[in-house]
Amino acid sequence: EAGVAQSPRYKIIEKRQSVAFWCNPISGHATLYWYQQILGQGPKLLIQFQNNGVVDDSQLPKDRFSAERLKGVDSTLKIQPAKLEDSAVYLCASSLVLEAFFGQGTRLTVV
Amino acid sequence: AQSVTQLDSHVSVSEGTPVLLRCNYSSSYSPSLFWYVQHPNKGLQLLLKYTSAATLVKGINGFEAEFKKSETSFHLTKPSAHMSDAAEYFCVGVTGANNLFFGTGTRLTVIP
Repeated sequence: EAGVAQSPRYKIIEKRQSVAFWCNPISGHATLYWYQQILGQGPKLLIQFQNNGVVDDSQLPKDRFSAERLKGVDSTLKIQPAKLEDSAVYLCASSLVLEAFFGQGTRLTVV
Repeated sequence: AQSVTQLDSHVSVSEGTPVLLRCNYSSSYSPSLFWYVQHPNKGLQLLLKYTSAATLVKGINGFEAEFKKSETSFHLTKPSAHMSDAAEYFCVGVTGANNLFFGTGTRLTVIP
C-alpha cells in the first residue's frame, strides 16, 4: 500500500514570498489533515478535510494560509505571504477510520 | 475538552534498561489512543493503538501500552531499550469526528 506522498521535501523562501505544498493521501482515505510542526513542539492541526469538505480549520491563519482538496483526493496548502514564524515542518496525514497515516513532511525555512 | 498530557518532555535511559513514557488523557468517554514515534527528519509512524478492545496493546518494535481507565493513563513501555529507539514519541487521542489531538511529545535518549 502506497503511503502519503508530500512534495517538496524541503523549501527555502524569503519572507513575504508565497509557497505551496502538495499532498497525495492514501487511496480511499476520506479524511485528510494538514499539520504544522514547529521545531521542538508537537504537531498543530491547521485544517481537516472530510472528502472535499472542511471539517475543522479553526487554527488556520486564514489571512495568509489557504488549503483546498479538489475532488476529495489531492490537497494543496498555500502560504501567502510567508512570515519568519512560518518556518516549520508541514505534515499531511490521511485516515480511513481512526488511524492516521503521515507523510514525511515538507520542511519550510523562511529567511 | 479532550486532551492528552505527556508527563515528561525528556526521558533518558541506558541501552538494555526498561523504557517508560507516560501519558494521561482527559475525556468524557473512553477515547481511542495512539502512540506515534518520530525519528529525526522522518514522518510520524504508528507504534500502537487502543480502540476499546484489549486494554494491553502490543505494538511494533517491542513496545506496548496499557489503557488504565481508573488512572486515565496510557503509558508506553518497552522492557529493554535499543539505540534505535532514540526518537520523539507522541501520545495522540482521537475523537469521534476523527479529530486528532497530540500531546507535547517526549524525547527519548538512549545512552550506550
